[in-house]
Amino acid sequence: AQSVTQLGSHVSVSEGALVLLRCNYSSSVPPYLFWYVQYPNQGLQLLLKYTTGATLVKGINGFEAEFKKSETSFHLTKPSAHMSDAAEYFCAVTGSTGFQKLVFGTGTRLLVSP
Amino acid sequence: GAVVSQHPSWVICKSGTSVKIECRSLDFQATTMFWYRQFPKQSLMLMATSNEGSKATYEQGVEKDKFLINHASLTLSTLTVTSAHPEDSSFYICSAPGLASYNEQFFGPGTRLTVL
Repeated sequence: AQSVTQLGSHVSVSEGALVLLRCNYSSSVPPYLFWYVQYPNQGLQLLLKYTTGATLVKGINGFEAEFKKSETSFHLTKPSAHMSDAAEYFCAVTGSTGFQKLVFGTGTRLLVSP
Repeated sequence: GAVVSQHPSWVICKSGTSVKIECRSLDFQATTMFWYRQFPKQSLMLMATSNEGSKATYEQGVEKDKFLINHASLTLSTLTVTSAHPEDSSFYICSAPGLASYNEQFFGPGTRLTVL
C-alpha cells in the first residue's frame, strides 16, 4: 500500500523567491512518484515524474524534484517563483510493480505575492 | 501525448435527477479508466475503477447504485450520478493509464456538478 504526506496546506512566497513544496511517501514496493498542478476549476497537469533512473527529475515550467529513497521524500522546487505558479500542487505515488492505485496527497496551495 | 476528454465540463441539475458524465480517451485505447471525486479545497479521492467489458470496482464507501459506471468501449467510460442531491455536488475527474507505463495516468479536465 502507498500513502503520501504533503507538509503545509499553504505555502506563501514572494515573486522571484525559491519555491519548496514538501512530499513524503510510504510504499511497500518501489514507488513511482508524481507532481501535478491544478488551476481553479481545471483538471490535473503533470509537472514531472520519477519512475526509474536519475533521481533528480526536471519538469515543465522550471520545476524539479529529487527522489530521496533514504528520506522517503520527493520535494518539489523551483529556483524563482512566478506569479503564474500560484495554484494547487498535488504529490502522488503508485507502485512500480503490478497494478497499483494512484494515491494523492492532500495538496499544497502555493501563493505568490508581488 | 495521451489526451483524455470529459463532457460536460459543468452541469447544473435539480435534486432527484440523474446526470451522466462522459470520459473519452481521444488518441489511445483504455481498457481501464478511473473516476475521482474532489470536494472544494480537498484532494482527489478515487471512487472507482472502470473496466471495459466488465463491472466497475468501487472503493470502500462509494455507493455503486448511486454512481453507475459503464465502460462500453475501449475509448469511453461514463459515470451516471443517479437521483442526485446537493451533497453530490463536486468536481469529478477521470483518468486513464498511458500506453508506455500502466502506472502513469492521464487526467481529463474534470466536470463540475452542482445539484440544486
